[in-house]
Amino acid sequence: SYVLTQPPSVSVAPGQTARVTCGGNNIGSKSVHWYQQKPGQAPVLVVYDDSARPSGIPQRFSGSNSGNTATLTISGVEVGDEADYYCQVWDSSGGDYTYVFGSGTKVTVL
Amino acid sequence: QVQLEESGPGLVKPSQTLSLTCTVSGGSFSSGSDYWSWIRQPAGKGLQWIGRMYMSGSTTYNPSLKSRVTISLDTSKNHFSLQLTSVTAADTAVYYCARDVNKDYFDSWGQGTLVTVSS
Repeated sequence: SYVLTQPPSVSVAPGQTARVTCGGNNIGSKSVHWYQQKPGQAPVLVVYDDSARPSGIPQRFSGSNSGNTATLTISGVEVGDEADYYCQVWDSSGGDYTYVFGSGTKVTVL
Repeated sequence: QVQLEESGPGLVKPSQTLSLTCTVSGGSFSSGSDYWSWIRQPAGKGLQWIGRMYMSGSTTYNPSLKSRVTISLDTSKNHFSLQLTSVTAADTAVYYCARDVNKDYFDSWGQGTLVTVSS
């Protein structure tokens, strides 16, 4: 089965840039989606199809995907961006069709 | 704007069947183009996709849970359901329902419901 690897935590000062990585075998050939989850709340889609933003998501959230790594970038981080972030792909390799999530990265705003 | 809401027992005994319902409102539940999924999250852990159903009735399940999972639709009641058999403490989690508009990602989620497996 396909595995997505994320760092457990990322720390960033307010106003700086946070980068959350998501590693996977040739992930650049897949579409990667990112969710933000705050404590006690359901996940919210913040980036889809590698770099597109849903309506209502601030421009400071952006994404990229190439080779074996996808990256969620949060520019000008705000205190309210502190949350867990999960990457996700749709995998159809090996005969199984599944949604795969990364293990999640806790972004802490110092 | 579609809204999803999970409901069902918050406590299930080991070896029994967990049953949850997701009620969909504010959208075209019967439009036939969306996939409806269940996802769970144990406390302090990550997200695990359980399975999904298409309006045609076709289902796809996570291979790790496939032998114990059934997802069904009731379009007349605008809801879809999850059944997970032979539960153990490892099935204790917050269970979410979510929609995929045939784009391979989830654009709408329910608020989640905690299910505890304990005697």
